[in-house]
Formats: sequence, structure tokens, C-alpha cells
Amino acid sequence: EAGVVQSPRYKIIEKKQPVAFWCNPISGHNTLYWYRQNLGQGPELLIRYENEEAVDDSQLPKDRFSAERLKGVDSTLKIQPAELGDSAVYLCASSPLWGTGELFFGEGSRLTVL
Amino acid sequence: AQSVTQLDSQVPVFEEAPVELRCNYSSSVSVYLFWYVQYPNQGLQLLLKYLSGSTLVESINGFEAEFNKSQTSFHLRKPSVHISDTAEYFCAVKRPGANNLFFGTGTRLTVIP
Repeated sequence: EAGVVQSPRYKIIEKKQPVAFWCNPISGHNTLYWYRQNLGQGPELLIRYENEEAVDDSQLPKDRFSAERLKGVDSTLKIQPAELGDSAVYLCASSPLWGTGELFFGEGSRLTVL
Repeated sequence: AQSVTQLDSQVPVFEEAPVELRCNYSSSVSVYLFWYVQYPNQGLQLLLKYLSGSTLVESINGFEAEFNKSQTSFHLRKPSVHISDTAEYFCAVKRPGANNLFFGTGTRLTVIP
């Protein structure tokens, strides 16, 4: 069974440029998460989807961040414009709707903003 | 709300020595507890979890953790570490029925040959 797939793995951009990250969750997993992991820190939730609906986006900086999950499968996280402080690893995870709480993570997308 | 504290940001240990990575949580309700491992340049992988039942849980690669409700702890232990155990370890907590997982800041375990 394929795991959570994320792309790109690495992205280097200059500040004020836009960037987008893509995530394909495990087949059949209804819940999809985007986390941000700053250097030396644990992951912090940005947004959680159940199917197509964003059920928790309270930590998403909505002035510059946006996300979508069309058709309840793949998801895209966008930053526009990027700032220096956005440099981090962006992790996507998925889980079944009625599971034991385990999240399955992708390898992450490392963003460097210059 | 739940929170997790990992007091040790870095733990160096010699190969074949025992190790304990500490995790304390804060919650006013019952919780599920997890340890995730992150190898260099990889995503997080579940190491072990406590949901209910026996307070001692084990992983397939020799790690174990014990849920201690009175001390609100879920420390991770291994009696003899290998070089391949070098990684970042994250403790996490969630409330049963909720979907959000709250992570600690992580402990970097470095196994020295």
C-alpha cells in the first residue's frame, strides 16, 4: 500500500514569491492534515480536513496561507506571498475517519525562503 | 487542552547503553499517547502507542513506554541502543474521539559508537 506522498521535497524561493505544496493521502483515509515543523520544534497543526471540509483551520494564517482539498482526496497548501519566517518543513498526514488516532505522515516538503 | 513536555532536547548515549526519553503530558481528561520517530530527512513514523489496557507498550525494535497516570508521564525506554536508533523522537497526545494530535518539541537521540 502506498504511503502519503508529498511534493516537492525541497523548495527554495525568494521572499514575496508564491509556493505550493501537494499531498496525496493514503487511499481511503478521509482525514487529511497539514502540519508545519519549524527547526528544532514539533509539528504544529495548520489545517485538518474531513473529506472535502476544512473542520479545523484555526491555526492557518489566512492572510497568506490557503489550502484546498478538491474531491476529498489530494490537497494543496499555498503560501502567497512567502516570508522569511515561513521557512519550515510542511508535513502532510492522513488517517481513517474512525481510527485509533494514528496519523500517517509523508516525508514532508522543506521550504527555504531567502 | 492537551499539551506535551519533552524536557530533554538532546540525549547522547553510547552504543549498547540504555536510554530513557522523558515525556510528560497535561490533560484534564483521559488521553491517548504516542511516540513517533523521525529519521534524518524522513517523515514521522509511529513507534508505539497507548490507548487503553496494559500500561506498558512495546515496539517491534525494542523500545517500550509506560503510561503512568499518577505522574502524567509516558517515558520511552530501550535497554540497549543501536547506531540505527539515532533519530528525533516526538511524544504526542490526543483526546479519545478527537482528531488533533499535539506534539512535544522532540528529543534528538544520538547514539555514539
